[in-house]
Amino acid sequence: DTEVTQTPKHLVMGMTNKKSLKCEQHMGHRAMYWYKQKAKKPPELMFVYSYEKLSINESVPSRFSPECPNSSLLNLHLHALQPEDSALYLCASSQDYGLAKRRAGELFFGEGSRLTVL
Amino acid sequence: GEDVEQSLFLSVREGDSSVINCTYTDSSSTYLYWYKQEPGAGLQLLTYIFSNMDMKQDQRLTVLLNKKDKHLSLRIADTQTGDSAIYFCAESIYNQGGKLIFGQGTELSVKP
Repeated sequence: DTEVTQTPKHLVMGMTNKKSLKCEQHMGHRAMYWYKQKAKKPPELMFVYSYEKLSINESVPSRFSPECPNSSLLNLHLHALQPEDSALYLCASSQDYGLAKRRAGELFFGEGSRLTVL
Repeated sequence: GEDVEQSLFLSVREGDSSVINCTYTDSSSTYLYWYKQEPGAGLQLLTYIFSNMDMKQDQRLTVLLNKKDKHLSLRIADTQTGDSAIYFCAESIYNQGGKLIFGQGTELSVKP
């Protein structure tokens, strides 16, 4: 199984709603990532979890709250978002993180969750 | 800071070769990667090259690395319509634990 599964594929929410994005991988990877991608732009790193601990927070606003319940699951909790937060949210995993080795950059991406904030 | 630059668009005819270019700034990069993103999909790792290599070939894909000029290229032989996608090059930053820095992406359009 070399897949990263993200749900939901599409999400529309109002600025006062609370919702969550979910991501799952069963490759035994110990690093998981959230990226945000605007149309025709490169993905922007938001968070990195390594061995279920938050390793990197790229100064993301607190209205985005990540959670890693176990080594296979990654959630992104959304609250009080703004219309400019509308984007494709990509989850990725890699065998490990924090090492200058090939596998640290060998990311497996999910198909993404397309979020629209009204 | 670190920066990765690519041209934004490339259009080729089916059957021709495509060459996508990338320049990077961090000389401490250990690995450089090429990712492909088809419309409506996530990114898929195509290939990578270690910084002490000059060339790597993988079926229709050839990666060339000029470390002196910090220039990376991806050549796709016999380009097919299914190769139409956005191609991102990325470098892993050694002193940031392998964090990936992506280029802006090159949109490849293959015309029949």
